[in-house]
Amino acid sequence: EPEVTQTPSHQVTQMGQEVILRCVPISNHLYFYWYRQILGQKVEFLVSFYNNEISEKSEIFDDQFSVERPDGSNFTLKIRSTKLEDSAMYFCASSGSSARGYTFGSGTRLTVV
Amino acid sequence: QKEVEQNSGPLSVPEGAIASLNCTYSDRVSQSFFWYRQYSGKSPELIMSIYSNGDKEDGRFTAQLNKASQYVSLLIRDSQPSDSATYLCAGDASYDKVIFGPGTSLSVIP
Repeated sequence: EPEVTQTPSHQVTQMGQEVILRCVPISNHLYFYWYRQILGQKVEFLVSFYNNEISEKSEIFDDQFSVERPDGSNFTLKIRSTKLEDSAMYFCASSGSSARGYTFGSGTRLTVV
Repeated sequence: QKEVEQNSGPLSVPEGAIASLNCTYSDRVSQSFFWYRQYSGKSPELIMSIYSNGDKEDGRFTAQLNKASQYVSLLIRDSQPSDSATYLCAGDASYDKVIFGPGTSLSVIP
């Protein structure tokens, strides 16, 4: 069964450092998403991406965040200057169409120290 | 503000019983609803999607949607210990944005 692959599975970074979280969506999917889940809290929408541009973004997704699809397979989330409150599990998801069920990757646990 | 609301639980049911999970949505615009299952430390996994009023059945799972009441539910028949997880209700808040409820923790007791 097709999978969404995320790397790394766990990343520890110092406050103020830049991090890039990587995702390989399912190959024939066109819609891509980043969500995050702070420990014990709900899954929060960050951004949706279609046709090489952002479709929607949340209030969380401020100027410190950016997304990119640098080639035909990867989808990345960059946090420019990490804060302690960015510590969370970050999930990438993809879908064959908008507003339909998503396939989530296994997540990257980001710990900012 | 569009929100998806769920009882956080925990909900405990004996093995073999029916588990009933409920969700309400605060805005009438939503067209699509989804149920995801999330095991502890894992990513959400899509179980069911439902787009029109009524019931939709898939194996042991039945989703029910009532748009007028802004209510969606998930029934799990013949509950198994392996069904123990957090169940996330989600709905589309706009064209390309799905938002999640806080989840209901289900425990199936052998």
